[in-house]
Amino acid sequence: AQSVTQLDSQVPVFEEAPVELRCNYSSSVSVYLFWYVQYPNQGLQLLLKYLSGSTLVKGINGFEAEFNKSQTSFHLRKPSVHISDTAEYFCAVTRSGGYQKVTFGTGTKLQVIP
Amino acid sequence: DTAVSQTPKYLVTQMGNDKSIKCEQNLGHDTMYWYKQDSKKFLKIMFSYNNKELIINETVPNRFSPKSPDKAHLNLHINSLELGDSAVYFCASSQDPQQNTEAFFGQGTRLTVV
Repeated sequence: AQSVTQLDSQVPVFEEAPVELRCNYSSSVSVYLFWYVQYPNQGLQLLLKYLSGSTLVKGINGFEAEFNKSQTSFHLRKPSVHISDTAEYFCAVTRSGGYQKVTFGTGTKLQVIP
Repeated sequence: DTAVSQTPKYLVTQMGNDKSIKCEQNLGHDTMYWYKQDSKKFLKIMFSYNNKELIINETVPNRFSPKSPDKAHLNLHINSLELGDSAVYFCASSQDPQQNTEAFFGQGTRLTVV
């Protein structure tokens, strides 16, 4: 079975500063990886996903993530955050192929400080 | 215009009652899901249906019964509600889970059992 670890439950960062939200996964087979964002009182929205190909994935709102197979990581980065980026961010993993359930991490609360 | 819509958005009820949450998607997706998000924001899949057929059934008490009258609807009925059922329940849909396309989430139903 696969699992996801988001080491930081909260990440405070000043506006216009860069940010990295960490995600590590474990799986014995090939995986697909996702980052979702949840704004207060909203559902989850996909930021970006890695299925195959280039390990650097660009998503919406200026976010990007890099798939590192040797370190089993999929960290999310943004070079300059905005107040509107304040939200909960979830990393998720699923095994490739077939009907596979998606396993979510416990989330990282990004707090952008003005 | 709402892609995945759930009703009601808030639900407060007494222990022992039976309640239903409705979900509809207008995206033409074949697969729908129910997720439970607890007070610590942990998100866990409960059920997944593909073309009205149950394909994922996690370890969920049999007081929870999903019903899919057609592929655009997946309702969740809960019998004999307990305090521990209090959570936010998210409905989601995806086009092709075998290709692990992204899931689109509803805005959630906050269930409070008193």
